[in-house]
Amino acid sequence: EPEVTQTPSHQVTQMGQEVILRCVPISNHLYFYWYRQILGQKVEFLVSFYNNEISEKSEIFDDQFSVERPDGSNFTLKIRSTKLEDSAMYFCASSLEGPNQPQHFGDGTRLSIL
Amino acid sequence: GENVEQHPSTLSVQEGDSAVIKCTYSDSASNYFPWYKQELGKGPQLIIDIRSNVGEKKDQRIAVTLNKTAKHFSLHITETQPEDSAVYFCAASSNYQLIWGAGTKLIIKP
Repeated sequence: EPEVTQTPSHQVTQMGQEVILRCVPISNHLYFYWYRQILGQKVEFLVSFYNNEISEKSEIFDDQFSVERPDGSNFTLKIRSTKLEDSAMYFCASSLEGPNQPQHFGDGTRLSIL
Repeated sequence: GENVEQHPSTLSVQEGDSAVIKCTYSDSASNYFPWYKQELGKGPQLIIDIRSNVGEKKDQRIAVTLNKTAKHFSLHITETQPEDSAVYFCAASSNYQLIWGAGTKLIIKP
């Protein structure tokens, strides 16, 4: 069964540094998402992406965050200047159609900011 | 905006018994309600979903019920097995965003 893959599984970064998290969504899916899960807390929506542009974003997704689909397979989340509170699990997801359709998740990247 | 409350936070049941997890939502415009299972070190896995035009949906040992009037929906797992142990999340789709509950840690006792 096709799956969403995320790399790296764990990223350790110094505060203030830029970080890029990578995702390969399921190949025929059209909608892509990033979510965040701080340890022990609920999953939080960050952003959705369709047709090469952001379709929705949450209050968390401020100017420090950006997303990109640089080629036909990758979907990236960039955090420009990381803060301690950015430490979390970041999940990528994709769906064939819109957000009201089944979303398939990767296993996440654990981001640790020192 | 949408708010999703989930109870209980932890549920311990004997193997073979049933487990019920409940969620409430606030936005009456929400129309899609998925349930996810998350095992340790893994991403959330969709196990069942329901839309607002349906009151109940079943898939083998798993069922979900939706009460639109009361704005609550529930996950029912029958004949629980050790592999059902995980954290379960409910979610509601509002304004094209999935808003998640806080999760329920389900423990299956042998």
